[in-house]
Amino acid sequence: DVKVTQSSRYLVKRTGEKVFLECVQDMDHENMFWYRQDPGLGLRLIYFSYDVKMKEKGDIPEGYSVSREKKERFSLILESASTNQTSMYLCASTSPGQGGYEQYFGPGTRLTVT
Amino acid sequence: EDKVVQSPLSLVVHEGDTVTLNCSYEVTNFRSLLWYKQEKKAPTFLFMLTSSGIEKKSGRLSSILDKKELFSILNITATQTGDSAVYLCAVEDNYGQNFVFGPGTRLSVLP
Repeated sequence: DVKVTQSSRYLVKRTGEKVFLECVQDMDHENMFWYRQDPGLGLRLIYFSYDVKMKEKGDIPEGYSVSREKKERFSLILESASTNQTSMYLCASTSPGQGGYEQYFGPGTRLTVT
Repeated sequence: EDKVVQSPLSLVVHEGDTVTLNCSYEVTNFRSLLWYKQEKKAPTFLFMLTSSGIEKKSGRLSSILDKKELFSILNITATQTGDSAVYLCAVEDNYGQNFVFGPGTRLSVLP
């Protein structure tokens, strides 16, 4: 089975702190994604990466950066956390299926910025 | 702009009922449509439908894809309280590099 893990399930940080969210997948997937999910807004793409050291901005990259130094690991960085970044953060990776790509999600990190 | 629309946004039924969830889409380069179930945690994968597989079934859940009319439905028969969740529809349109999600349908199954 595909396994996508995230470093923390719950995280509480103060405004202005630098925050690192880590995601690891164990299936040698090339594509990895970071989303945030908020009530009423659904899943929104922050960044995705299609290879080591490669990244593309998603719909809402402002206030975030990412790092992919190894294929299995994709990190999301909040340079200076703000209260409007309180959200559920979901990491995902994709594998080719029959005729398309299946996307698998990690358990999520619920981040609260106070 | 790529778009995925789901309806209804919210649905309340009783155990044993059959429900139909709808997903319509407009994307530039459709490759596959995916259904997910999300309880109080991350979404879990249910089905993927493509041109080569436009109907899928797993137990009480089934799904069809109409590529001509650009929509999909997810059917759940004999619903159970454990089916209560948000059901997400997503469309993949760029070789696994772009997934567009709908807002989800919140299903509540009452005993």
